[in-house]
Amino acid sequence: AIQMTQSPSSLSASVGDRVTITCRASQAIRNDLGWYQQKPGKAPKLLISVASSLQSGVPSRFSGSGSGTDFTLTISSLQPEDFATYYCLQDHNYPQTFGQGTKLEIK
Amino acid sequence: QVQLVESGGGVVQPGTSLRLSCAASGFTLSNYAMHWVRQAPGKGLEWVAVIAYDGSYEYYADSVKGRFAISRVNSNNTLFLQMNSLRAEDTAMYYCARDRLDIVATIPDYWGLGTLVTVSS
Repeated sequence: AIQMTQSPSSLSASVGDRVTITCRASQAIRNDLGWYQQKPGKAPKLLISVASSLQSGVPSRFSGSGSGTDFTLTISSLQPEDFATYYCLQDHNYPQTFGQGTKLEIK
Repeated sequence: QVQLVESGGGVVQPGTSLRLSCAASGFTLSNYAMHWVRQAPGKGLEWVAVIAYDGSYEYYADSVKGRFAISRVNSNNTLFLQMNSLRAEDTAMYYCARDRLDIVATIPDYWGLGTLVTVSS
């Protein structure tokens, strides 16, 4: 199975900061990657698909980039509602695999 | 609007079986691949299984292959996950999720609220 390694595992930041989360695949996956946001006690929410395509209704401060093995999720200016855990998911091969998650906390 | 409602979770003993259901509404189930994803308490997300829109193929995580079976009855708008030989490490919230696109299988988009499975003696 393809291994997805996210970094950092946790991150403290302030409202207004720009933050970047990275996901690295153990083999090339083209752009077959999505990013999810999950808040405590809630189901995940899809933010970005095919590495860089913003889902409908997702604020434009979220962006994704990358292809091959290295991907990033960037939040350009953190808002209070963005503090959550973020996951990447590859669908290049089965089984699909998630990264271990990045918990974004308020500094 | 798209709605997915999981049911069938509970507390079971190791080695036993459980069948989860997911009732779909607000879209045409027969047009979409469907996924199960789980999350152990305090842990990250783990993709479990996918089934094609017409049931023509299924794929599983290595951790459940041979023990779990995903199925669907499109005419009843229902997705299932049959879980056999349950282990303590199967304890998790189980989410049903619709695929992002119709017909082809990609990644989950719409999610249910989940049903909790606890495997304990």
